[in-house]
Amino acid sequence: DAKTTQPTSMDCAEGRAANLPCNHSTISGNEYVYWYRQIHSQGPQYIIHGLKNNETNEMASLIITEDRKSSTLILPHATLRDTAVYYCIVRSAGSSNTGKLIFGQGTTLQVKP
Amino acid sequence: GAGVSQSPSNKVTEKGKDVELRCDPISGHTALYWYRQSLGQGLEFLIYFQGNSAPDKSGLPSDRFSAERTGGSVSTLTIQRTQQEDSAVYLCASSLAGTATEAFFGQGTRLTVV
Repeated sequence: DAKTTQPTSMDCAEGRAANLPCNHSTISGNEYVYWYRQIHSQGPQYIIHGLKNNETNEMASLIITEDRKSSTLILPHATLRDTAVYYCIVRSAGSSNTGKLIFGQGTTLQVKP
Repeated sequence: GAGVSQSPSNKVTEKGKDVELRCDPISGHTALYWYRQSLGQGLEFLIYFQGNSAPDKSGLPSDRFSAERTGGSVSTLTIQRTQQEDSAVYLCASSLAGTATEAFFGQGTRLTVV
């Protein structure tokens, strides 16, 4: 079962920041938070991941709370092409673990003109 | 190519036939995953390979489904005696060993069983 909770859908105005929340209250100390997105009819696309520090790359920023029980993905200037389903995933670490990604239902982000 | 390659991109088969789906992972990626996505649904984990062995087959839905990987590279997912409920997009992903590394997905094979 997915270990994360996300809103089913969100809207964002084009050019504005999109803030996508995720709750992962049962996360363990060695588990990473990953974000992927899936644009219609395509394979999932990696966005960003983090353990406990905030992370930023060319696509997005990831803000993880100090207790690690929730996080927020920030798309700083959303465009129409960012319309997609966004998945927040807790990925288990450790040598005995497969590292498989368990996908929930995700958040459908609709960027509007 | 630089990414994960899957073939065929589309496959239509008759109920009861066997099908083989192929995944070429990114060179050097030792971990390989198969997923299934039915229409309008989320991604369902099927099987995980580390090298040529499959330590996690927990997601395979029935004994009609099997997969193998040879040379630590190409993987084949085989579905025997296909049923209409097998219709879905089958996705493959690969990554370096370890869970702090991102997994990259292919574009999938759309399987339609008629």
